[in-house]
Amino acid sequence: GENVEQHPSTLSVQEGDSAVIKCTYSDSASNYFPWYKQELGKGPQLIIDIRSNVGEKKDQRIAVTLNKTAKHFSLHITETQPEDSAVYFCAASTSMYSGGGADGLTFGKGTHLIIQP
Amino acid sequence: AAGVIQSPRHLIKEKRETATLKCYPIPRHDTVYWYQQGPGQDPQFLISFYEKMQSDKGSIPDRFSAQQFSDYHSELNMSSLELGDSALYFCASSLEGGTIEAFFGQGTRLTVV
Repeated sequence: GENVEQHPSTLSVQEGDSAVIKCTYSDSASNYFPWYKQELGKGPQLIIDIRSNVGEKKDQRIAVTLNKTAKHFSLHITETQPEDSAVYFCAASTSMYSGGGADGLTFGKGTHLIIQP
Repeated sequence: AAGVIQSPRHLIKEKRETATLKCYPIPRHDTVYWYQQGPGQDPQFLISFYEKMQSDKGSIPDRFSAQQFSDYHSELNMSSLELGDSALYFCASSLEGGTIEAFFGQGTRLTVV
């Protein structure tokens, strides 16, 4: 089955700096890579995702890059703010297209992002 | 915007008891996923349903079963509860006929004593 590794487990950055979280996956059939933000006591919140037919995607301060050859993808957050503090999870699945089956997500172990004021 | 609704939010059960968790997906969503998240851990996929049929199966124990009903809500039934079943249980929903982004509910915190 799929195995997703995520680094670092904890990341502390100064407010206004950038943060980068990296993930690798093992299953070459994986083609959908979402990122979730989870605050204490809440459910994971989808913040951005990327499909294997795209190399990069950006949404305001958040961007994700994908390298299919190396099987790794990264989350980039620029101009970090205190409200960015949370646990971030990367995930992978083989359900890129609708009708492809409701495959479950395999998550990384999470990164605790701490924004220092 | 309407989100995924889970009930109850908190549940305390004794060992060997049964529990039923409910999930109401986002309106028009036809796919439901169940995940288990232990303290400090990542969510683990249990099972998914599309159009009331089981679609994918993960690490769901044999003591657990689930189904999706005609109105697309889903229930996770857990029997012979063990202390190790204490966790957050999340339901997520997506629209299989459109995009595949899965949106999570706020979870049910199950404590087995």
